[in-house]
Amino acid sequence: AQTVTQSQPEMSVQEAETVTLSCTYDTSESDYYLFWYKQPPSRQMILVIRQEAYKQQNATENRFSVNFQKAAKSFSLKISDSQLGDAAMYFCAYRSYRGAQKLVFGQGTRLTINP
Amino acid sequence: DTGVSQDPRHKITKRGQNVTFRCDPISEHNRLYWYRQTLGQGPEFLTYFQNEAQLEKSRLLSNRFSAERPKGSFSTLEIQRTEQGDSAMYLCASSLGGHTQETQYFGPGTRLLVL
Repeated sequence: AQTVTQSQPEMSVQEAETVTLSCTYDTSESDYYLFWYKQPPSRQMILVIRQEAYKQQNATENRFSVNFQKAAKSFSLKISDSQLGDAAMYFCAYRSYRGAQKLVFGQGTRLTINP
Repeated sequence: DTGVSQDPRHKITKRGQNVTFRCDPISEHNRLYWYRQTLGQGPEFLTYFQNEAQLEKSRLLSNRFSAERPKGSFSTLEIQRTEQGDSAMYLCASSLGGHTQETQYFGPGTRLLVL
């Protein structure tokens, strides 16, 4: 079974600075998807960024980018120019390419932005 | 379209009572998922529908839990004889299956408290 681990329960960053959230995963599959979801306080979870394992190029979405290291099974999220609205729980998630469609989530990292 | 909706948003019940939650997916989405999220943890998969067919169930889904998706539109999740350990946020997500860019969109969740 696949597992996802986020080893940083909490992180904080100064507004306008850059922060990196860590995620590692375990799988025996070669094709899969990885995601970062954001869950603001009392609000619904939204997709931040996704990465297909067969793509070598790291995904980017505006201020959000990932560092995908397939051999190391590592998938970190970098947030540049942090804004107060980035404060949230961030979850790393895994989904198989075939078969099971469920998302397997990590435990989450609570990100605080200091003004 | 306003996204995935869930009803009720909050439910307080006494141990032993039955509760039912409803999820309305994004209208054209053929896949629907239920997850459970306890405080400070990432969501855990419960079950998954493609159209009206329930294709996967987690071992977390005990025989007190039942989910349906009649006519492949909205879904209900019923918990019978609730226990205090059932207290959690129940999240619904939907997606348009069958392509590589498939993304699960989450609803706001139903927070259940069992007294």
